[in-house]
Amino acid sequence: QLQLQESGPGLVKPSETLSLTCTVSGDSISSASYYWGWIRQPPGKGLEWIGSMYYSGNTYSNPSLQSRVTISVDTSKNQLSLKLTSVTAADTAIYYCARHVAHFYYYMDVWGKGTTVTVSS
Amino acid sequence: SSELTQDPAVSVALGQTVRITCQGDILRRYYASWYQQKPGQAPVLVIYGKNNRPSGIPDRFSGSSSGNTASLTITAAQAEDEADYYCQSRDNTGNHAVFAGGTKVTVL
Repeated sequence: QLQLQESGPGLVKPSETLSLTCTVSGDSISSASYYWGWIRQPPGKGLEWIGSMYYSGNTYSNPSLQSRVTISVDTSKNQLSLKLTSVTAADTAIYYCARHVAHFYYYMDVWGKGTTVTVSS
Repeated sequence: SSELTQDPAVSVALGQTVRITCQGDILRRYYASWYQQKPGQAPVLVIYGKNNRPSGIPDRFSGSSSGNTASLTITAAQAEDEADYYCQSRDNTGNHAVFAGGTKVTVL
């Protein structure tokens, strides 16, 4: 059974870099059928797509975050990573990783439980 | 434009039918997918594409699309269907996901 588990610091200081990892179990992150990506949800607000990556290197990011976002894949560890630089309080959110299906249709069929990140000094 | 809009809230009587809509010009080109999110939980995919339900999703959930509007219909709504529902599609490039603001469904 496919499972995704996010991990990382729950507290990040303003102006620093947020770093999260998503460990995938039950499937290979090198699967040719899927992208893997990140979505976040600020407290009490809706979902915001951050970006996605194919194991071979194709990466796509939300234009509003593109200058600060780096998404990478470690196939040896079956992990997806997110780095978000120069964080502010507006980056406080629950961060989810999700498997993306992106061909004729585009959807996220399996999600992690999410990890809460607070930006505060 | 790739923007998607949903009504913030809708209510439905137990056992009745509710339709949640999502509007955006991009829906003339791409299908929407729908997610259910209950408090404190991660979103769950309930409908994708033209009208496809993932395994385990009850058949009271259905999707449709016409012009710039996609709809999620819950037929004979149950108490456990009370949740936030999000519409998602792609932007003009086809490579970026876009979410609407979500609709809170209350079952009375």
